Amino acid sequence: DTAVSQTPKYLVTQMGNDKSIKCEQNLGHDTMYWYKQDSKKFLKIMFSYNNKELIINETVPNRFSPKSPDKAHLNLHINSLELGDSAVYFCASSQGRRFYEQFFGPGTRLTVL
Amino acid sequence: AQSVSQHNHHVILSEAASLELGCNYSYGGTVNLFWYVQYPGQHLQLLLKYFSGDPLVKGIKGFEAEFIKSKFSFNLRKPSVQWSDTAEYFCAVNAGVETSYDKVIFGPGTSLSVIP
Repeated sequence: DTAVSQTPKYLVTQMGNDKSIKCEQNLGHDTMYWYKQDSKKFLKIMFSYNNKELIINETVPNRFSPKSPDKAHLNLHINSLELGDSAVYFCASSQGRRFYEQFFGPGTRLTVL
Repeated sequence: AQSVSQHNHHVILSEAASLELGCNYSYGGTVNLFWYVQYPGQHLQLLLKYFSGDPLVKGIKGFEAEFIKSKFSFNLRKPSVQWSDTAEYFCAVNAGVETSYDKVIFGPGTSLSVIP
């Protein structure tokens, strides 16, 4: 009965490859987010979707492309991976686009070699 | 640009000691404030939040935080810590209150280690 799940949990890949991370929430929420946590634990928002509509798109390289096939899913595809993309990526969800607690997934640790 | 700072990068306390973690933000508008906790190997979870009303907010597990608007601060406190409080603590600010969507900005985190 996991609320927000992400796959895979660990991802190790070579520079230049393309990879995807999947996120699913079973809370019935309509807003989902992607965050990047760097090696210093600094957590920064990347994207937010509300009802499959992109509402937040921070300054992120266009190698990163989120896709929301439905309200319960928000996937993150990364093209041409670079060393600096190594981080932990967290998915989160909330009900409504304002003032609500965000529920986080367990994170995906991406290591680019 | 909006930002959130946390005073301490790493705090080490003995069990039963009192805890105060500092958080300051830079944003002139209306804000909502949060403290999240990340236990080792786990996901972030909400400790407490402030939207309006009483500036002293009580959260789960005996934590509380005080919003001082004039100081742009939202410090987290606990009178007596336990070993199980060992975790990473993140202060967060929703700087999108006056817009149509949330824009939550996280601080860099404070790592708390409690020694039995």
